[in-house]
Amino acid sequence: DVKVTQSSRYLVKRTGEKVFLECVQDMDHENMFWYRQDPGLGLRLIYFSYDVKMKEKGDIPEGYSVSREKKERFSLILESASTNQTSMYLCASSETGTGRVEQYFGPGTRLTVT
Amino acid sequence: AQSVAQPEDQVNVAEGNPLTVKCTYSVSGNPYLFWYVQYPNRGLQFLLKYITGDNLVKGSYGFEAEFNKSQTSFHLKKPSALVSDSALYFCAVRDRPDSNYQLIWGAGTKLIIKP
Repeated sequence: DVKVTQSSRYLVKRTGEKVFLECVQDMDHENMFWYRQDPGLGLRLIYFSYDVKMKEKGDIPEGYSVSREKKERFSLILESASTNQTSMYLCASSETGTGRVEQYFGPGTRLTVT
Repeated sequence: AQSVAQPEDQVNVAEGNPLTVKCTYSVSGNPYLFWYVQYPNRGLQFLLKYITGDNLVKGSYGFEAEFNKSQTSFHLKKPSALVSDSALYFCAVRDRPDSNYQLIWGAGTKLIIKP
């Protein structure tokens, strides 16, 4: 089974702090994604990566950055956390290949910024 | 533009009755369609997908979905609902064929199964 793990289930940070969210997948997937999930808004893509050191902005990249130094690990960075970044953050991974495009998700990190 | 819609915020069904969660889409070209389920305070779990072939797709936990090209729909169904099916359900469609496999997500439908 594909396993995607996230470093924390719950996180509380103060406004202005730098926050790191880590994601690791164990299936050698090429693609990795960071989403935020807010009630009524579904999933919104922040960034994704299709290869090591490669990244592309999603729909809502402002206030976030990412790092992918190794294939299995994809980090989301909040440079200066703000209260409007309080949310559930979901990491996902997927293969590259026709018909094998479903994404596999980690358990999520619920971040509260006070 | 590619889009996916889940017209119902919430669906209520009595245990043992059939359930349907609706999804419609708008894409250029042939769609790749997906259903996911999210239990409280958990990540999303993949249920099933349609890529090509038979319009009726079977997935996990007894769920199935029917691809209808003329109605641009991909409704999720189950013949007999269980209380444990209560969760948040998301429909998704692959973005453009050259999009590095990004998905576009519906807003989600909360399914409540009453005993």
